[in-house]
Amino acid sequence: SQQGEEDPQALSIQEGENATMNCSYKTSINNLQWYRQNSGRGLVHLILIRSNEREKHSGRLRVTLDTSKKSSSLLITASRAADTASYFCYNTNAGKSTFGDGTTLTVKP
Amino acid sequence: EPEVTQTPSHQVTQMGQEVILRCVPISNHLYFYWYRQILGQKVEFLVSFYNNEISEKSEIFDDQFSVERPDGSNFTLKIRSTKLEDSAMYFCASTGGQVFYEQYFGPGTRLTVT
Repeated sequence: SQQGEEDPQALSIQEGENATMNCSYKTSINNLQWYRQNSGRGLVHLILIRSNEREKHSGRLRVTLDTSKKSSSLLITASRAADTASYFCYNTNAGKSTFGDGTTLTVKP
Repeated sequence: EPEVTQTPSHQVTQMGQEVILRCVPISNHLYFYWYRQILGQKVEFLVSFYNNEISEKSEIFDDQFSVERPDGSNFTLKIRSTKLEDSAMYFCASTGGQVFYEQYFGPGTRLTVT
């Protein structure tokens, strides 16, 4: 089975702009997590939002959750070139599943 | 900051050979995982391990694969008879409190089967 589906598949922005990526999931959630993967490297856990939360912030990251629509969004504000990576959502309830294709974010200096 | 480590960073082996990939999870973590990522493809779950036994595994994790925690620190993935299609990045991850919860990933081992 597959984890959430992210969109857009690719996003290219200028440094300093905000980046928004979305995730839709199929099963119910206890927690939804967002991860980042730099090319060829392991995933890095960014932020976790619980099913009873609607919004959560961590530094330049803002995550929202709409359980009625089974969707989440990740906003990166004031993007930097170092934010260039692929971003994935992950439903803890879905357990042993493959990460999706992710959103590939390119931030141009 | 504690981190998951993996060795070797790159392993080249011939088809049919056995390989052991090693991981040192974060010391107080309880759940351990292996994932693989074939070049250009998704990160795929292989197996989760808790309390010295496999808790879940995917269809990929067949009889050719095994995992072991031989001591208090290492967590290994063994592939008994490698195939060309086993060429991939293999990531180890660990979790502290709850399964699949805030996984910490290692840097990966690139396995090349020739």
